[in-house]
Amino acid sequence: ILNVEQSPQSLHVQEGDSTNFTCSFPSSNFYALHWYRWETAKSPEALFVMTLNGDEKKKGRISATLNTKEGYSYLYIKGSQPEDSATYLCASTTSGTYKYIFGTGTRLKVLA
Amino acid sequence: NAGVTQTPKFRILKIGQSMTLQCTQDMNHNYMYWYRQDPGMGLKLIYYSVGAGITDKGEVPNGYNVSRSTTEDFPLRLELAAPSQTSVYFCASSSGTGHSPLHFGNGTRLTVT
Repeated sequence: ILNVEQSPQSLHVQEGDSTNFTCSFPSSNFYALHWYRWETAKSPEALFVMTLNGDEKKKGRISATLNTKEGYSYLYIKGSQPEDSATYLCASTTSGTYKYIFGTGTRLKVLA
Repeated sequence: NAGVTQTPKFRILKIGQSMTLQCTQDMNHNYMYWYRQDPGMGLKLIYYSVGAGITDKGEVPNGYNVSRSTTEDFPLRLELAAPSQTSVYFCASSSGTGHSPLHFGNGTRLTVT
């Protein structure tokens, strides 16, 4: 079983600030790294799927990078807005299995 | 386009009762998953299935059973409910291997008292 870790556990930022969080995962047998956005009272929604070392993905003000050799991914939010308030989850999958193992998430609160 | 549908949305059980959480998807996905969400713990994998007739244990399978008789349906069974099973349960599906994103249902909030 993988051990996927996220930090920080929670974060409060002011509107307009840029922020980033970390997802750490075992690098052996790596297959893919997923980021999800999870708003309160809703279900998680996929943001990015990354597979290659050095991958960078972007969607609007949100971007992510991947380092498979050292086993980490960063999620960046530029110019945070109150609507960015959510829990951001990462999940890792490994070769030969179909399990998506999630970290505990980073809870972001953007203050207006 | 219903996606992944879970029923019921809420349920209260007494200790020792049994129930089945229903999950169905209309996307013809082979891969289906059950997770539980506990405060501060993220999502923990209970069981998963890679196709009809094939199921396997996840991280926290004790106290649960699953079956997968069709591609569409993946019910989760609690035989003897315990307070430790109070949680929010999410069903998810994906179209392929670990490269494909998960599509989640809206969750079932279960309380065992």
